[in-house]
Amino acid sequence: AQSVTQPDIHITVSEGASLELRCNYSYGATPYLFWYVQSPGQGLQLLLKYFSGDTLVQGIKGFEAEFKRSQSSFNLRKPSVHWSDAAEYFCAVGANKAAGNKLTFGGGTRVLVKP
Amino acid sequence: DSGVTQTPKHLITATGQRVTLRCSPRSGDLSVYWYQQSLDQGLQFLIQYYNGEERAKGNILERFSAQQFPDLHSELNLSSLELGDSALYFCASSRTTQSGSFNEQFFGPGTRLTVL
Repeated sequence: AQSVTQPDIHITVSEGASLELRCNYSYGATPYLFWYVQSPGQGLQLLLKYFSGDTLVQGIKGFEAEFKRSQSSFNLRKPSVHWSDAAEYFCAVGANKAAGNKLTFGGGTRVLVKP
Repeated sequence: DSGVTQTPKHLITATGQRVTLRCSPRSGDLSVYWYQQSLDQGLQFLIQYYNGEERAKGNILERFSAQQFPDLHSELNLSSLELGDSALYFCASSRTTQSGSFNEQFFGPGTRLTVL
């Protein structure tokens, strides 16, 4: 069964500083990997996805993520954080058809942005 | 706006009651998924429907059921509600094909259920 670990529950970063959120996954085959963002009281918005190919993927809002198979990681980065990036971020791995194409989510990382 | 709509936005009810949550997928999406987000369990997959048929079940209680109608909207029925069922319930949709090729899921805004 697949699983996702986000080691950091909270991260505080200053506006304009860089941000990196960690994600480690466990899955027996080539993973489908995703990052979603949830602002307070909102739904989940897809930031980016990795299916195959280039291991560095670009997403919306200036985010990027790098897939490292050897480390079973899919870390999310942003070079310069804006106050509007304060939210909760979820990493997810997608299962195959046999498992219902479901997403398995990590526990989330809450990002606080200091002025 | 993801294109996935959910109603109602908020629902407050009492223990033992039954409620129905509704979801309309993005235009053209045949797959609908239901997820539950709670403080103690996090985000958990409940059930998936593809073009009207149940395709997969996750951690869904027997008191809960779902269906997908010919117009592709879906309903999640929660019965004999308990305090612990209080959570945010999300619907998502995707363009998953009959062959099961994976596509990203787009989430609705959720329905917040409070059981008193």
